[in-house]
Amino acid sequence: SQQGEEDPQALSIQEGENATMNCSYKTSINNLQWYRQNSGRGLVHLILIRSNEREKHSGRLRVTLDTSKKSSSLLITASRAADTASYFCATDRRNSGGSNYKLTFGKGTLLTVNP
Amino acid sequence: ETGVTQSPTHLIKTRGQQVTLRCSSQSGHNTVSWYQQALGQGPQFIFQYYREEENGRGNFPPRFSGLQFPNYSSELNVNALELDDSALYLCASSLEGWGLAGDTQYFGPGTRLTVL
Repeated sequence: SQQGEEDPQALSIQEGENATMNCSYKTSINNLQWYRQNSGRGLVHLILIRSNEREKHSGRLRVTLDTSKKSSSLLITASRAADTASYFCATDRRNSGGSNYKLTFGKGTLLTVNP
Repeated sequence: ETGVTQSPTHLIKTRGQQVTLRCSSQSGHNTVSWYQQALGQGPQFIFQYYREEENGRGNFPPRFSGLQFPNYSSELNVNALELDDSALYLCASSLEGWGLAGDTQYFGPGTRLTVL
């Protein structure tokens, strides 16, 4: 079952604009990660934010996490045509034994950056 | 480049057949996870192997099985293929299956399986 839900499902912007994608999840988490996927190929890890963190930056990426609202946002600033891809949030939750680490993905946001 | 490779890139099978997909993890990564991604959906966790033992399983039937080998390679086997098994299959390797919170998983490019 999907844990996260990204919003919007699709986003189209012009090069140079900022893109904001949101993710909501249902259960408590250890960490939340954002991945990018180009044209139905492998996923590329972008950024990880831990449950005790509220904001994290990496280059043109800014991620926020609000555990009280069970939501996260990914901001891509000064977008480029090469940023065109699907973006997924993924949450991880460890079982009581500490093992069985797995990622639960949302359905993704398809971002199109027009040149 | 994540250092994780998968083969084959594409595969076409017919219903009822069996298929084996292969993954080569990053050297030193003891954990491999397999995901199924249907068209327009996010990846769904199939199972995880840690040091050649199954370490957790998602909501997939027993006809989905796996193996992990000491040389950081692994296999996903699917028996009695069904039309709904058509999807992109992704493997991901990571350093440890537990103990390290937020351990990054490195994904391969995937194998696209079509079942006719």
